[in-house]
Amino acid sequence: NAGVTQTPKFQVLKTGQSMTLQCAQDMNHEYMSWYRQDPGMGLRLIHYSVGAGITDQGEVPNGYNVSRSTTEDFPLRLLSAAPSQTSVYFCASSPTGGPRNGYTFGSGTRLTVV
Amino acid sequence: RKEVEQDPGPFNVPEGATVAFNCTYSNSASQSFFWYRQDCRKEPKLLMSVYSSGNEDGRFTAQLNRASQYISLLIRDSKLSDSATYLCVVNRTGGFKTIFGAGTRLFVKA
Repeated sequence: NAGVTQTPKFQVLKTGQSMTLQCAQDMNHEYMSWYRQDPGMGLRLIHYSVGAGITDQGEVPNGYNVSRSTTEDFPLRLLSAAPSQTSVYFCASSPTGGPRNGYTFGSGTRLTVV
Repeated sequence: RKEVEQDPGPFNVPEGATVAFNCTYSNSASQSFFWYRQDCRKEPKLLMSVYSSGNEDGRFTAQLNRASQYISLLIRDSKLSDSATYLCVVNRTGGFKTIFGAGTRLFVKA
C-alpha cells in the first residue's frame, strides 16, 4: 500500500496564481484533512472531510477550497496565492472514527509564494 | 494562550539517558491524546496513543493526567535515532478538531 500520496513535493508560485495540491490515499479511510505547518507553530487545520461529498472548514480556511468527490482523493485548491501561504502542507487520513484513531500523513508539499 | 503547549527545547541528552517531555492542554473537553514524532523535513508519524491508565511501548512511556490537564512522554535509554521533534496532539470530544502542539526538539548525542 502506498498510504497517503501528495503531489507535488515542491512548488513555487507567483502572487495571484492558483494551483491545486493533490492528495490520494489507498487505505479506504473515511476521514481526510489538510494541515499547514509553519516554523514555531503546530500544524493548523485548513479543511477536513468525514467522507465523500462532505467537507468542512478548519482553523485557517481562508484562501483555500476543497472537494471530496471520491473516498480516495482530497485536493486542496489555492484560489489566489499570497506570500502568507508560503508553508509546508500536509494531507492526513484516518479510519472511520476520525482523528481519535490517529493519522497517517503524506510526505508534504513545500510551497513558496513569491 | 495556545490550546496545546509544549516546551520547544531543544533537549540535548547523551546516549543512554532518560528524558521526559510534558505537554499541557487547556480544553477540558479533550478526549484523545497522542504523541507523534517528526524527523527534520519529514511528515509526522504516530508514535503512540496516550491512555488514562498510562501505557508503554518499549522504551517509551506515556502518561495522562486529566485533573492537571497534561500528558507526558518518557524515553528511556535514548538512542541517536530518537533525535527528532515530538508533537503532542489532542483531539476534542465529539468533533473532528485535532490540535497539534508546536513540538519539542530532542537531540541525542554520542
